[in-house]
Amino acid sequence: EDKVVQSPLSLVVHEGDTVTLNCSYEVTNFRSLLWYKQEKKAPTFLFMLTSSGIEKKSGRLSSILDKKELFSILNITATQTGDSAIYLCAVEDAGGTSYGKLTFGQGTILTVHP
Amino acid sequence: NAGVMQNPRHLVRRRGQEARLRCSPMKGHSHVYWYRQLPEEGLKFMVYLQKENIIDESGMPKERFSAEFPKEGPSILRIQQVVRGDSAAYFCASSPERSGNTIYFGEGSWLTVV
Repeated sequence: EDKVVQSPLSLVVHEGDTVTLNCSYEVTNFRSLLWYKQEKKAPTFLFMLTSSGIEKKSGRLSSILDKKELFSILNITATQTGDSAIYLCAVEDAGGTSYGKLTFGQGTILTVHP
Repeated sequence: NAGVMQNPRHLVRRRGQEARLRCSPMKGHSHVYWYRQLPEEGLKFMVYLQKENIIDESGMPKERFSAEFPKEGPSILRIQQVVRGDSAAYFCASSPERSGNTIYFGEGSWLTVV
C-alpha cells in the first residue's frame, strides 16, 4: 500500500522566515509527486515533480524530488501571513487503473505570524 | 471556465438519513475523483469514475456508499443511512485525461451528521 509521511506536522514561524517542509513516500509504481496548498477549501495545485534533482520554482516557493531516497521538500522563502495553510504532499501510482488516484500525507500546518 | 463545482457546500443530516453530494467537473473533463477528509486526517481516495463507468472504487466503504457519473449531469456520491463517523469534508476532483498534474479540486462538501 502506498504511503506518504509529512513532517513536521505543524510549524509556526514569523514573517520573513524561510521554511522547509518534508515529504517521504513509499509507492509501488511511482508516477509523480504533487504538492497542494489548502486554506479551508479546495486544495490548490502547487507543483508536480516526476524527475529527481530538477527544482521547480514559483515565486517564493520551490520544490525538489529525490527518487533515490524517496523524498521531496517544499521550500518557502520570505514567508508571509498569506502562506498560512495546510501543505499537502501526494504521490500518484502509475499502475493499472490508478491514474489520478493520489495518496496524500497528513499535511503540514504552517502558521506565519506577523 | 468555471472550476469544479460541488454542492451542497454544507449539509446536515440526522443519523439514518441519506446524503447526496453532487459534483460537476470542469468543462472538458471526463474523469472524476472523490476524496474524503476526516477531521485531523489527510485526504483519502474513495473512487475514480469516467462517464458511466466506475474505474476504481478501492477506497469506497463496502456498505452504504455509492457513486455514479451518468452520461448527462453531475457525478453523485450517495451515502445511505448516515452515521456520525461519516461527518467529513468530501472533495471532488476532475481531470481531462489520465494525468496527475491536471487534477483540479472542488471546494468540498462538508457533511455533518447529528
